[in-house]
Amino acid sequence: GQSLEQPSEVTAVEGAIVQINCTYQTSGFYGLSWYQQHDGGAPTFLSYNALDGLEETGRFSSFLSRSDSYGYLLLQELQMKDSASYFCAARWSNTGKLIFGQGTTLQVKP
Amino acid sequence: KAGVTQTPRYLIKTRGQQVTLSCSPISGHRSVSWYQQTPGQGLQFLFEYFSETQRNKGNFPGRFSGRQFSNSRSEMNVSTLELGDSALYLCASSFGQGGRGTEAFFGQGTRLTVV
Repeated sequence: GQSLEQPSEVTAVEGAIVQINCTYQTSGFYGLSWYQQHDGGAPTFLSYNALDGLEETGRFSSFLSRSDSYGYLLLQELQMKDSASYFCAARWSNTGKLIFGQGTTLQVKP
Repeated sequence: KAGVTQTPRYLIKTRGQQVTLSCSPISGHRSVSWYQQTPGQGLQFLFEYFSETQRNKGNFPGRFSGRQFSNSRSEMNVSTLELGDSALYLCASSFGQGGRGTEAFFGQGTRLTVV
């Protein structure tokens, strides 16, 4: 169905690179988005991939491959403030619903 | 420009009561979606309104309802509250419904506690 799968937790050290994957079974969505949510805060938009390929926004990059049914968010030069939950989201064209993955909690350690 | 505003920020209600939450989207945005967020359950889609019409509905019981006004402001109502309704309710506004540029902008949410 229209669902997105993500790992529940990822841990990395400061300065490292981490990749958070997002997989799906049903295609037919406009594009894949990524959101960041700190504890107690609202989700904030990070990145959007309408087409296959890499989108780079500063230390964050996002990738989409429709043929392989997955995308990922790449965070480089990790900082402590990057500790947060990260959600992938997609709006399916047949329903228009914006559906979110379950979220990945990233813990950055010193 | 002003962001998405949700009121109230915190609410404590008793089982069986009903509650109304409000969301004012970003000026010019016509789409408003509501999500329920609980620990371990991620963001569960409740419903979406576009130009005063409900365009989509999630898998929630009929106790959950909503509406959108001509100025795009939206309200959601939960009747006969249950303990399990305790959650953070998030409202997101976007300019349209499809294609690029439809990223969602979230409000700070309303933390509802049912006792």
